[in-house]
Amino acid sequence: QVQLVQSGAEVKKPGASVKVSCKASGYTFSGYYMHWARQAPGQGLEWLGRMNPTSGDTNYAQKFQGRVTMTRDTSISTAYLELSSLRSDDTAVYYCASGPGGGVFDYWGQGTLVTVSS
Amino acid sequence: DIQMTQSPSSLSASVGDRVTITCRASQGIRNDLGWYQQKPGQAPKRLIYAASRLQSGVPSRFSGSGSGTEFSLTISSLQPEDFATYYCLQHNNYPITFGQGTRLEIK
Repeated sequence: QVQLVQSGAEVKKPGASVKVSCKASGYTFSGYYMHWARQAPGQGLEWLGRMNPTSGDTNYAQKFQGRVTMTRDTSISTAYLELSSLRSDDTAVYYCASGPGGGVFDYWGQGTLVTVSS
Repeated sequence: DIQMTQSPSSLSASVGDRVTITCRASQGIRNDLGWYQQKPGQAPKRLIYAASRLQSGVPSRFSGSGSGTEFSLTISSLQPEDFATYYCLQHNNYPITFGQGTRLEIK
């Protein structure tokens, strides 16, 4: 079955960077875009961007341009999200999503809580 | 960016009720829309894709309709496990955007 397993919770200081991983199994990792979204506490969902695992090409939401980097290691079917220059309002649960189910955001990781606090 | 306006923002209903949630896009998105259910502490789960196609494993009491700018999610007979928050998502045009969510509560 399709699974996306994310890395554990992180606590970072303002100005630092965080890197979240997302390991895929149960489908062809390189065949489907990997998307990332986040959800601040008690808030709605916000799209950060997507990556083509085959080519490594990325599309980022304009709001995060210059601070976000999406990469992958196809040998271990793992995608990465790095967010730099962290601020307190970056505190959120970060999700990866991908899979062969048609459309986008068909299968989701369990989420990674990133807390930014001094 | 395409704005997705979801209504209502919250809804109280009883087990067995029929409920409908709507999403309006600020411009036409064909049928590039999905519906998601999120329970507290969990990742969202896709219910509907391509506006009206039921995700595998999702109960048939969930249905989606619409095209262009107006979309709806209907739950034909609410079950206790359906009380959750629901989101729409458009992927016709980037950036992908979500509706603000509808919280479905027990009356």
